[in-house]
Amino acid sequence: EVQLLESGGDLVQPGGSLRLSCAAAGFTFNSDAMNWVRQAPGKGLEWVSLIDGTGGVTYYADSVKGRFTISRDNSKNTLYLQMNSLRADDTAVYYCAKGSPFAYWGQGTLVTVSS
Amino acid sequence: QTVVTQEPSFSVSPGGTVTLTCGFNSGSVSTNYYPTWYQQTPGRAPRTLIYSTNTRSSGVPDRFSGSILGNKAALTITGAQADDESDYYCVLYMGSYWVFGGGTKLTVL
Repeated sequence: EVQLLESGGDLVQPGGSLRLSCAAAGFTFNSDAMNWVRQAPGKGLEWVSLIDGTGGVTYYADSVKGRFTISRDNSKNTLYLQMNSLRADDTAVYYCAKGSPFAYWGQGTLVTVSS
Repeated sequence: QTVVTQEPSFSVSPGGTVTLTCGFNSGSVSTNYYPTWYQQTPGRAPRTLIYSTNTRSSGVPDRFSGSILGNKAALTITGAQADDESDYYCVLYMGSYWVFGGGTKLTVL
């Protein structure tokens, strides 16, 4: 059974940084692309970033390009999202999602950017 | 900027059939965009219903089906049930990024 467990969400001030993690189990982690998708309170889904199975190819939404960095550690079956220069409009539940398209989703972790 | 469009809301009677659509402002949706559909209820993670236009995800009942209708992707629910009342999102693949539609809130009454 595929399991994805996000962690790292927190309350952070504007301009601050945060790193999210997603622990994966139940599949061959290094064979699948992984994504981060977010959902602001009461809003729709927004794709944030993708990384291929090797970690050598990454893509970002324009809204986070230059501020967020996606990475993975295949030895630890873990996906990461480093978020810098956070803004109020980054407030959202952040989901990690397996595959392209997103076949399996974690339960999400809440990031709140506020002073 | 690519904008993916969905009906903001839709209503269907129990047992009825409803078709939700997914278009975009840059032309026609085709299978090349791998349209994928998700169902989400409040406070829960999205659930994959249909991927690559018309392939049902594991465990999804066959009353959910996907297709291309005209210049849009479509999700058809046949024999709607009360627990189909949810938000439905489509997503399209643009080559190096994905774009979600704004979602359709489906009411079953």
